[in-house]
Amino acid sequence: DSGVTQTPKHLITATGQRVTLRCSPRSGDLSVYWYQQSLDQGLQFLIQYYNGEERAKGNILERFSAQQFPDLHSELNLSSLELGDSALYFCASSPYPGSDEQYFGPGTRLTVT
Amino acid sequence: SQQGEEDPQALSIQEGENATMNCSYKTSINNLQWYRQNSGRGLVHLILIRSNEREKHSGRLRVTLDTSKKSSSLLITASRAADTASYFCATFSGGYNKLIFGAGTRLAVHP
Repeated sequence: DSGVTQTPKHLITATGQRVTLRCSPRSGDLSVYWYQQSLDQGLQFLIQYYNGEERAKGNILERFSAQQFPDLHSELNLSSLELGDSALYFCASSPYPGSDEQYFGPGTRLTVT
Repeated sequence: SQQGEEDPQALSIQEGENATMNCSYKTSINNLQWYRQNSGRGLVHLILIRSNEREKHSGRLRVTLDTSKKSSSLLITASRAADTASYFCATFSGGYNKLIFGAGTRLAVHP
């Protein structure tokens, strides 16, 4: 158990809908990262937050957005969902952006039908 | 684009045998990490090797790094059925903000 929690574990929704994925980092970690794992794209970095502020952006679609709240939990919002958005979404945390190791949560499996 | 590329894509061995996975990367690095993922679950950090290290051991794991060839290898000795998983190498990009993962090697260890 990494100490990172993600909810929900599974999500099934229809195209065009909007969902919110939630992540609670390990106690004391200030930095949160979101990754997407799909069959065709593999594991891809989406976005990073540190202490409430966006620090780095990867291949995150404009339909996706994220934020980190004062209590350090983070939410990833996916809107206008398409079939291709079906994937495992991972959250990871680290004490600070320069940390060597990131601790990954169990992931949320999103299925868009 | 992915920074690391693993080879082979899939590996099937018997318990007790050694498993070797290779990773190549494109840009200069400060360190390289290996992660393990059991079927559809979260990633678990296995080992980190810094750019000034050539070899590192952790239990049954041995990692090597050749910065001149931009490659690394992960050796699992005396494999067990419980080692069945996907293994990914990863490097940092963008100033320690983004972890870039390879495509992974799927290892199957048969009893």
